[in-house]
Amino acid sequence: GQNIDQPTEMTATEGAIVQINCTYQTSGFNGLFWYQQHAGEAPTFLSYNVLDGLEEKGRFSSFLSRSKGYSYLLLKELQMKDSASYLCAVRVRGSTLGRLYFGRGTQLTVWP
Amino acid sequence: DAGVTQSPTHLIKTRGQQVTLRCSPKSGHDTVSWYQQALGQGPQFIFQYYEEEERQRGNFPDRFSGHQFPNYSSELNVNALLLGDSALYLCASSEGDIRAEAFFGQGTRLTVV
Repeated sequence: GQNIDQPTEMTATEGAIVQINCTYQTSGFNGLFWYQQHAGEAPTFLSYNVLDGLEEKGRFSSFLSRSKGYSYLLLKELQMKDSASYLCAVRVRGSTLGRLYFGRGTQLTVWP
Repeated sequence: DAGVTQSPTHLIKTRGQQVTLRCSPKSGHDTVSWYQQALGQGPQFIFQYYEEEERQRGNFPDRFSGHQFPNYSSELNVNALLLGDSALYLCASSEGDIRAEAFFGQGTRLTVV
């Protein structure tokens, strides 16, 4: 089976940096995604890693180590609007296109 | 360019009833996946449609069925509703490239009473 693990909750203050970790055990790994989800809304795409290393996109960066089954999402210069659930998802090869396996999500609360 | 649209946004049904949820994918996308998200959980894969066929299926009973139309839109049907089926149902579309990101609709909040 597939197993994706991430912390349930994290807190940080405005302007700070926070790192959300994700570990996974999957077969047929074909990419790791991070999504942001505000309460009652749809998940929105943040980043995608398929090769080892760091991908940077503005205030958000994501890192992947396939050998360790590990990824993290780094959020810099935190803002109040960054308070949301952050979902780690692994794509697994399928018959035609990969399906996504999601972790439970990390609820981030940013304090002023 | 409209993103992924789902209807209805909210729905209340009685245990034992049947429900149909609808999804229109983002323009240019030909693959639709359905997910169920219970409160406080991550989305769980139900099934995926491509070229009007179910290509992959998650660990959901046969009460959950679907369809994809020639215009790539899709429906999710759930029969004999149970209280435990109460959840946010998300539709995601992608472009048919295994590397492509999936775009999610706003979801349908289904409450079974």
